[in-house]
Amino acid sequence: AQKITQTQPGMFVQEKEAVTLDCTYDTSDPSYGLFWYKQPSSGEMIFLIYQGSYDQQNATEGRYSLNFQKARKSANLVISASQLGDSAMYFCAMREGRNYGGSQGNLIFGKGTKLSVKP
Amino acid sequence: GAGVSQTPSNKVTEKGKYVELRCDPISGHTALYWYRQSLGQGPEFLIYFQGTGAADDSGLPNDRFFAVRPEGSVSTLKIQRTERGDSAVYLCASSLTFVDSDTQYFGPGTRLTVL
Repeated sequence: AQKITQTQPGMFVQEKEAVTLDCTYDTSDPSYGLFWYKQPSSGEMIFLIYQGSYDQQNATEGRYSLNFQKARKSANLVISASQLGDSAMYFCAMREGRNYGGSQGNLIFGKGTKLSVKP
Repeated sequence: GAGVSQTPSNKVTEKGKYVELRCDPISGHTALYWYRQSLGQGPEFLIYFQGTGAADDSGLPNDRFFAVRPEGSVSTLKIQRTERGDSAVYLCASSLTFVDSDTQYFGPGTRLTVL
C-alpha cells in the first residue's frame, strides 16, 4: 500500500490566488513527521514546512501552511498568494519512528504534484 | 553557509562500468542520506549514515551499490557494473542530527546516465 498518496498529478492556479495541494498518508506509528518539499526544474529539493504528529497547531511558514487533519490522515499544503516562482513539483513526505516499517529516519515520498502558476 | 554539494552534476557512463558519486554535507551535520529519483517519481531512500556508520542500508537495490562515509563528513556512493536501469538522479541530503523532526536538506543531485 502507498504510504504517501498525492492524487493531483498537476494543478493550475492563477497568480495571487491560494492553492491547496493534497496529501494523505498511511502509518500505524503514533509518532511521525510530515514534510513538504518543492522541486523546481533545476532539480534541487527545497524544504518548505514540517508537521509533527503530536503538534496541536497547524504548521505555518510564511505563505505556506499545512492543513493537518490527523483523524483523516491528511496533510494538505496551502500556498497563499501564489507567485510565478511557485511553479514547480511539490512532494509530500513522511518519516516514521524507528519501530515501524524499519525506518531509521529516511523520508518516504509521494509521487508529487506539478503546480503551474498562470500570470 | 554552504549547502549540500554533490559532484559531478552529470555523469554519463557505459553499461558495465564503475561510477562514484560524491556528497559533501552541510558542515556539522551528523546524519547523511542518499536517495534515488527516477523520472516522474518521488525520491526513494537508499542508505542513511549516522556519523561514519551506515545506520540503515535497506534501500540499496542490490550488492552492486555501496556507500561509505569514512570520516563522518563526505560520502561516496559507489555503483559497480552499472546497468541502464541505474539511470536516475541521485540525491544526497543531510540533517543536523538523526532526531525524527530534523529537516533533511538536499543537494542538487547527480544525474547518472548509463548508455
